[in-house]
Amino acid sequence: DTAVSQTPKYLVTQMGNDKSIKCEQNLGHDTMYWYKQDSKKFLKIMFSYNNKELIINETVPNRFSPKSPDKAHLNLHINSLELGDSAVYFCASSQGGLAGETQYFGPGTRLLVL
Amino acid sequence: DAKTTQPPSMDCAEGRAANLPCNHSTISGNEYVYWYRQIHSQGPQYIIHGLKNNETNEMASLIITEDRKSSTLILPHATLRDTAVYYCIVRGVGGSQGNLIFGKGTKLSVKP
Repeated sequence: DTAVSQTPKYLVTQMGNDKSIKCEQNLGHDTMYWYKQDSKKFLKIMFSYNNKELIINETVPNRFSPKSPDKAHLNLHINSLELGDSAVYFCASSQGGLAGETQYFGPGTRLLVL
Repeated sequence: DAKTTQPPSMDCAEGRAANLPCNHSTISGNEYVYWYRQIHSQGPQYIIHGLKNNETNEMASLIITEDRKSSTLILPHATLRDTAVYYCIVRGVGGSQGNLIFGKGTKLSVKP
């Protein structure tokens, strides 16, 4: 049983395109996250989101927008893709957003922008 | 920025204990110490966390010094499958302070 799943696993696309990455968790958690891991392997938070609050990392371009149809899903939509968007994107979830609550990560989506 | 300092790499012989150190000298009283690992091409995996007391679970033990300025993750009997990058993370309470801030981690290589 997959706790946090992401689709697609691989995504290859052209510059300027718009794409979405989907994330689903079956843990009943209230908070979900998106992280980006670049080519240097640095893993950075992009967004955290629960029913009450969206917390946006100020360094994330506004071409990136999280969309949550329900608390089990947090999709990441990217407009006007750029070469620098190539990275591995990880979704995660936790029961809440407080310290002491473990985050569980998905397997990642490998995005390559040509 | 990450609030922790870890050695960039370590080696460990298979079957021996792996002791991974972490310095977090600026940790606040309500901040937890978390350990995650990332096996090649996979998502980060939770290992253990603690606040003040030492902790143990089926994967590892976490030893936190009395002043809380450093900690050690212990894998008691390392296997080849424990080869991964291990991240020590100090995590606060609430809002953006509850987010995980990953540093560069320690690349642990377990060798036969």
